[in-house]
Amino acid sequence: QVQLVQSGAEVKKPGASVKVSCKASGYTFTSYGISWVRQAPGQGLEWMGWISAYNGNTNYAQKLQGRVTMTTDTSTSTAYMELRSLRSDDTAVYYCARDRVAVAGGNFDYWGQGTLVTVSS
Amino acid sequence: DIVMTQTPLSLSVTPGQPASISCKSSQSLLHSDGKTYLYWYLQKPGQPPQLLIYEVSNRFSGVPDRFSGSGSGTDFTLKISRVEAEDVGVYYCMQSIQPALTFGGGTKVEIK
Repeated sequence: QVQLVQSGAEVKKPGASVKVSCKASGYTFTSYGISWVRQAPGQGLEWMGWISAYNGNTNYAQKLQGRVTMTTDTSTSTAYMELRSLRSDDTAVYYCARDRVAVAGGNFDYWGQGTLVTVSS
Repeated sequence: DIVMTQTPLSLSVTPGQPASISCKSSQSLLHSDGKTYLYWYLQKPGQPPQLLIYEVSNRFSGVPDRFSGSGSGTDFTLKISRVEAEDVGVYYCMQSIQPALTFGGGTKVEIK
């Protein structure tokens, strides 16, 4: 069965970086992409960006350009999302979701369990 | 970016009664390939979102047939024919016609 298992909760200070992992199983990793979506406490969903696990192409939300990097390791079927220069408003639950391979398609058929990132001094 | 506007913000429904959620986009979601890239997700309390409907009206695998999606262009609707207790949560529409994907603000469904 398809599973996306994310790394554990993180607490970071403002200005620091965080790297969240998303390990995929149950399907051919390179046949899909991964999108990242975050949710601030009590708020709605915000799409952060997408990466193709086939060729590493990326598409980032404009507001995060320059602060976010998405990568994949096909040898371990793992996707990573790194966010730098953290601010308090980056406090959120971060989700990975399986997406289309060629473009950020929005067809998020499987999701990780979420990773809480808390940014606090 | 395309703005997705959902109404109502919240809904309280008696079990067995129907419910309807509207989603309007600031631009048409009809692609030149003939598909309309509008999705519906449900986020149950304490869980990640789950895909309900893709491309306006296609139910994802395992989604009960009491859920249906309709609409075109910029106006879309999610209907639940008979609400059950397990349907509580926040419903989100989302578009992917543009590279910048955007979600609606969400509609919270509660049981009376």
